[in-house]
Amino acid sequence: DVKVTQSSRYLVKRTGEKVFLECVQDMDHENMFWYRQDPGLGLRLIYFSYDVKMKEKGDIPEGYSVSREKKERFSLILESASTNQTSMYLCASSGPRGTQYFGPGTRLLVL
Amino acid sequence: QKEVEQDPGPLSVPEGAIVSLNCTYSNSAFQYFMWYRQYSRKGPELLMYTYSSGNKEDGRFTAQVDKSSKYISLFIRDSQPSDSATYLCAMTFGRGGGGADGLTFGKGTHLIIQP
Repeated sequence: DVKVTQSSRYLVKRTGEKVFLECVQDMDHENMFWYRQDPGLGLRLIYFSYDVKMKEKGDIPEGYSVSREKKERFSLILESASTNQTSMYLCASSGPRGTQYFGPGTRLLVL
Repeated sequence: QKEVEQDPGPLSVPEGAIVSLNCTYSNSAFQYFMWYRQYSRKGPELLMYTYSSGNKEDGRFTAQVDKSSKYISLFIRDSQPSDSATYLCAMTFGRGGGGADGLTFGKGTHLIIQP
């Protein structure tokens, strides 16, 4: 079974803090993704990576950056957290057929 | 554009009924189509995966894709209370055999199966 783990299930941060969300997959997948999920808006793609040190912007990259130093690990960084970044953050990885496997999610609250 | 339309529900049906969930989309470039199930406060779980048009069956679940109409469906037979969840359709363009692009999701349909 594919396993995608995320470092925290719940996080509470203050406005202006730098926030790191970590994701690890154990299936040697090339591609990894970060989404956020909000009521009424669904899942939206923030960034993705198709190889180590490679990244591409998704649909809503503003206010976020990413890092992929190792194949199994993909980090999402909020440089200066804002209240409108309060959301559920979901990491996924995919193999060659395009099927994506999701982690359990991180609920982030920015006060 | 990448819009995907999905009725948010809630859709409430009695146990044992056949459930039909649907999505429409506007971009004919989508090639790979998926259905995910998401329980409250959990990550989405892949249910079905289809490439291009056609039907695919897996147990009580059947996925249909009609690319000419830009319409995809998920049918659940003999529905159970444990099927109560939010169902998300998703699709992607297919670069790199499907794995190199992010997914575009519908907003999800909240399904309730009444015992």
